Amino acid sequence: DTEVTQTPKHLVMGMTNKKSLKCEQHMGHRAMYWYKQKAKKPPELMFVYSYEKLSINESVPSRFSPECPNSSLLNLHLHALQPEDSALYLCASSQDSDKGVSYEQYFGPGTRLTVT
Amino acid sequence: TQLLEQSPQFLSIQEGENLTVYCNSSSVFSSLQWYRQEPGEGPVLLVTVVTGGEVKKLKRLTFQFGDARKDSSLHITAAQPGDTGLYLCAGGPRFVLHLGRLYFGRGTQLTVWP
Repeated sequence: DTEVTQTPKHLVMGMTNKKSLKCEQHMGHRAMYWYKQKAKKPPELMFVYSYEKLSINESVPSRFSPECPNSSLLNLHLHALQPEDSALYLCASSQDSDKGVSYEQYFGPGTRLTVT
Repeated sequence: TQLLEQSPQFLSIQEGENLTVYCNSSSVFSSLQWYRQEPGEGPVLLVTVVTGGEVKKLKRLTFQFGDARKDSSLHITAAQPGDTGLYLCAGGPRFVLHLGRLYFGRGTQLTVWP
């Protein structure tokens, strides 16, 4: 089973709202990722968690706050977003994220976020 | 700087035609992955190529990894409308401390008309 699940599927929020995106995997993977994707563009990496610790933050604005409660779960807390933050937010997981080794990443279906 | 150059960016063909998508780099990769993504969905992993010169087949799709592990290609035979989607190549360069970061090509948007 290579399934990564994400909820909600769609989210519409105002610029003053606080919401959270959730991601779950049960493959025993120790690395989890958040990506942002605009239409017809490749995913852009936001955060990487390795063994439940944040290992990469790609200079993402603080209005995006990631959290990894355990090895199977990954959250992305959203607060005071801007309309330009509207995008498809993808979660992914991989077996590991070792320094020089490239592991296959498995993606969830994404959350379509619209900021009004 | 784009580490993986993918071409063409757009491809619009008729059902039954053949096509090839290219993914090139000046860097050596330990492996390359190919994904297909449909609108509003997450990328789905199609294949991983690991060994230089490797050829993998997935029904009508043939994937090749260059001998020097700097390039890869995806060939589709007798394309069907169901092949429509965004094709992405991605990988981790061999001598870069990437901490699991995947480098993506810009993607090829394929449309197959019936």
